[in-house]
Amino acid sequence: KQEVTQIPAALSVPEGENLVLNCSFTDSAIYNLQWFRQDPGKGLTSLLLIQSSQREQTSGRLNASLDKSSGRSTLYIAASQPGDSATYLCAVLKDSNYQLIWGAGTKLIIKP
Amino acid sequence: GAGVSQSPSNKVTEKGKDVELRCDPISGHTALYWYRQSLGQGLEFLIYFQGNSAPDKSGLPSDRFSAERTGGSVSTLTIQRTQQEDSAVYLCASSPSGRGTKNIQYFGAGTRLSVL
Repeated sequence: KQEVTQIPAALSVPEGENLVLNCSFTDSAIYNLQWFRQDPGKGLTSLLLIQSSQREQTSGRLNASLDKSSGRSTLYIAASQPGDSATYLCAVLKDSNYQLIWGAGTKLIIKP
Repeated sequence: GAGVSQSPSNKVTEKGKDVELRCDPISGHTALYWYRQSLGQGLEFLIYFQGNSAPDKSGLPSDRFSAERTGGSVSTLTIQRTQQEDSAVYLCASSPSGRGTKNIQYFGAGTRLSVL
């Protein structure tokens, strides 16, 4: 059974720092891995999607990597800003092609 | 264009009452998903609709939960005889199609259900 774990559950860093969020999964047979952002009172927003054949994806200050063999993904945020404060969730797409398996998220606080 | 719309945004109900949660997906999206997010937990899949196909109800936690999607658009999630453990945020998402490794789901803001 696929399980997705995100560590740490919460992280607080000063503005301007580079940081890494971690996501691990137990079954390497995935189709893709996605990182989402969740703001209080708002829905989830897809940030990056990495196909199983890819190693990384970049969007602006965000870079997500995928190592299927070790069951790990990282989300790197460069030059963090207070507006980056949110909960970040990762999810893997298993063989059903539509059912995502979710981590519990990392709550990120960027201090001005 | 309009995103996924959910109503109500908040719902407080008494134990034993029935509740209906509504989701209006993005126009043209054929796939619709319901999830439940309990405090400090990841999203839990509830049900999936794709076009005119039979829905995947494998995630519904009990027979008190049901959902329908009328005309391939608006969906309603119904919880009968609510229990305190039903308290959670219920999220709806839609996607252009239900399959494909590049299929991205677009989420509504959710309905926060509190059962007293």
